[in-house]
Formats: sequence, C-alpha cells, structure tokens
Amino acid sequence: GAGVSQSPRYKVAKRGQDVALRCDPISGHVSLFWYQQALGQGPEFLTYFQNEAQLDKSGLPSDRFFAERPEGSVSTLKIQRTQQEDSAVYLCASSFSYRANTGELFFGEGSRLTVL
Amino acid sequence: SQKIEQNSEALNIQEGKTATLTCNYTNYSPAYLQWYRQDPGRGPVFLLLIRENEKEKRKERLKVTFDTTLKQSLFHITASQPADSATYLCALVDGNDMRFGAGTRLTVKP
Repeated sequence: GAGVSQSPRYKVAKRGQDVALRCDPISGHVSLFWYQQALGQGPEFLTYFQNEAQLDKSGLPSDRFFAERPEGSVSTLKIQRTQQEDSAVYLCASSFSYRANTGELFFGEGSRLTVL
Repeated sequence: SQKIEQNSEALNIQEGKTATLTCNYTNYSPAYLQWYRQDPGRGPVFLLLIRENEKEKRKERLKVTFDTTLKQSLFHITASQPADSATYLCALVDGNDMRFGAGTRLTVKP
C-alpha cells in the first residue's frame, strides 16, 4: 500500500482481555516505531525496531506490553490483561532511515483502544 | 528530567495573520528537530525537519528556526488560513528515538 496501515482502527476490550494491534509499514522502510497517544497529549514513545531487531523498548509501560516484528515488515503490539489506563490511540510509524534522526516518520491513522 | 514544552495548548488567530508556535526543551541534545501536523482522528503528518547546524528552514508559508543555545524552536505559519487549523507537534530526535511535545492546537478564524 501507499501508506502505513493499522488495524483495527477501533477496538473495545473488557478489562482483563488481551488485544493485538497490527501495523503494516511502508514497503522497504527499515525503522518502525510504536507510540501511545492519550487524549489531548502528544505521542509517547513505546518501542523501536530496526528491521526485525527491537533496539529500544524502554517506553513500554509494563510487562503486559509486548511488540514484535518477526520478518522485518509487519509489526504487532500486544497488550495482555488490559487495564482502563491502557485506553489510548496507538500509533505506528515507519521510516526509510536506519536512524530516526535522518528521516521523517510516516504515521498510520492509529488504533483507538477503549478498555471498559 | 527531560522535557519538551510547547508554548500553549491552544492558539487562536485571525486569517491572514502569522501564527508563531514555540517548542522549548530541557536535558536533550537533539541533532534534529521536526514539526508535524495532526488533524483530529488522524496520525501526525511530517512538515519540516531542521538540523542543529541550521538556523532556519522554510517551506512555502512555513518557517522553522532552531536555537540550540536557547534550546528552542519557533514554527511560523504566514498568511494563515482556516485550513491551517490543526494541532502542531514538535519532535526531537535524540539517538534512535523521536520524542514529541504535547502539541499546540491552532485555530485560524475567517
């Protein structure tokens, strides 16, 4: 596709359920980022992949959050035992650059998670 | 602690005027700074990138400055239009990570 694709766009989960959010980056982009954006706030960094390698996961808020990119393209963000504070928009972004600082990020439209 | 602060949550201006948005940072040494636009319900869209050795960058009606001494970037939209109404995010690149400010919501009134 022409852009970064995320699915589902909207997800409602009951507290305690596991959810999986998918990101399909632009073909050939080596860098992939996940961000969490609460209402009225800027995106908060979660994790960064360079191809299939997860180089930074310092932003993941707890061990309930797990991300993978096994073949260096599609990525999945998994949240186990969801809590209400996990409600947010989860944004995926990709870049052709090996390092974030040399290229713009292309964002998907986000996955809005609501935990009841 | 590290902080990225954008001057205000909201800025209202009249059509045709220049909008000036501020991004201040502490305890970062960014090599690059970027500005993004975000519309409601959409992902951020890249606007401009400025490097630490560049003082100013322009693109059409947009101008960005970067002062590493003041630890500040200014983002200007000249001859503003209602279609410029959106949230504008500054982002610092430090190492492999890009960190965002909370954004400033700009409303341009006709």
